[in-house]
Amino acid sequence: GAGVSQSPSNKVTEKGKDVELRCDPISGHTALYWYRQSLGQGLEFLIYFQGNSAPDKSGLPSDRFSAERTGGSVSTLTIQRTQQEDSAVYLCASSLVRGQGTQETQYFGPGTRLLVL
Amino acid sequence: DQQVKQNSPSLSVQEGRISILNCDYTNSMFDYFLWYKKYPAEGPTFLISISSIKDKNEDGRFTVFLNKSAKHLSLHIVPSQPGDSAVYFCAASALKSGGSYIPTFGRGTSLIVHP
Repeated sequence: GAGVSQSPSNKVTEKGKDVELRCDPISGHTALYWYRQSLGQGLEFLIYFQGNSAPDKSGLPSDRFSAERTGGSVSTLTIQRTQQEDSAVYLCASSLVRGQGTQETQYFGPGTRLLVL
Repeated sequence: DQQVKQNSPSLSVQEGRISILNCDYTNSMFDYFLWYKKYPAEGPTFLISISSIKDKNEDGRFTVFLNKSAKHLSLHIVPSQPGDSAVYFCAASALKSGGSYIPTFGRGTSLIVHP
């Protein structure tokens, strides 16, 4: 089966514009995560979706960032009024969740490289 | 405040020798630890993990050691191969309210294995 896919693979935008990044998780995976990796930094957690539960938004850096997950599958990360410091690789991952309190392996997509000019 | 630290940004090793990648953490609630490997222009891929109830986990050429008292873990690759050249991320997680685990990642160590 296909892995996690993300689109676009690269995005160049001007400061102040809005961008939408898309993630298609592995079919059947109920958990979905967004991370970003700025230059020279580790993966910074942004938001987590699990089934029908309220998303964990504790990692979103500002109210310019939002994410949706429609129908428990595809997710879109939206960045409004982009700033140059938003330039990073945005990574999506998905995992199975067999039950509360279980550890599951995350499968990552290739990422979207965002450059804000 | 970094809860997961990989203090060596890079490591260079000769093919056939041992590669040792180190990771330190500060949160004593972490109870599950993972290593991911990342090639350029690709997402990280899971490599090996260890639960806090163990101090060693081995998978082929890869072994992870956990020292809970020192809050330290390491990844050993023996023997190292040129194809192992990649960025290695250490990650740690603790059970959050709501029953989820969301790993916290280090900044990564770039391993170069020379032929």
